[in-house]
Amino acid sequence: AQSVAQPEDQVNVAEGNPLTVKCTYSVSGNPYLFWYVQYPNRGLQFLLKYITGDNLVKGSYGFEAEFNKSQTSFHLKKPSALVSDSALYFCAVYEGRRALTFGSGTRLQVQP
Amino acid sequence: SQTIHQWPATLVQPVGSPLSLECTVEGTSNPNLYWYRQAAGRGLQLLFYSVGIGQISSEVPQNLSASRPQDRQFILSSKKLLLSDSGFYLCAWSVVGGETQYFGPGTRLLVL
Repeated sequence: AQSVAQPEDQVNVAEGNPLTVKCTYSVSGNPYLFWYVQYPNRGLQFLLKYITGDNLVKGSYGFEAEFNKSQTSFHLKKPSALVSDSALYFCAVYEGRRALTFGSGTRLQVQP
Repeated sequence: SQTIHQWPATLVQPVGSPLSLECTVEGTSNPNLYWYRQAAGRGLQLLFYSVGIGQISSEVPQNLSASRPQDRQFILSSKKLLLSDSGFYLCAWSVVGGETQYFGPGTRLLVL
C-alpha cells in the first residue's frame, strides 16, 4: 500500500527566512506526489505536483518542492516565508482512481 | 473555468437525525467525484468516490451513504447521525484519468 509521512506536526519559522516542510513517501511504482494547503475553515488548495521530469517542481505562491528518489522524499520549500503562509500543509500520493492518500498534515506558523 | 460548490457551509444536527450534504461541480463534464472527512483539523479520510452517475465506491463502512443522481452532483447522506459523524466534510473532483483533485470549500458538521 502507498503512504506518505509528514514527520513534523508543526514548523515554526520567522518571516523572511526560508522554510521547509518535510514529506516522505512509500509507493510500489513511480510516485505521483502532491502538496496542498489548507487555511482555517477552508477547503484544500492545490499547490504543486510531481509526476515525472525535473526533480524541482515549482508551484503556486512561490512554493517549490524537490523530489528525491533515493531518499523517497518530497519536501516543500520556499525561499522567504510570509506571515500569510501560515496554514496547514498536506502531502499526498496518488493511488489511481481510488484517489489521494494524504499525510497527517504539518501546521506552518510564520512569525512576524 | 471549473468551480465546485458545497452546501450548507455549516450544520448543527441532533444525534439520530438525517443528513444530506450536497456538492456540485460546474464547468466540466463526467468528473470523478470524492467525499472526504477531516476530523480534528488534521488528516483526511476518503469516504466515497464516484466515476459516473449511479456509480459509488465506499472506502469505509459506516452509517453514511453517497449518491450521484446527476453527472455533476454528489450527495452525502445518513439516516441517523452519530456523535462520531461530526467533522469537516470535503468534496473534490478530478477529470477522468486525471490525478489532481480540486476541493470544495467544505461543510462543517456538528452532531450534538
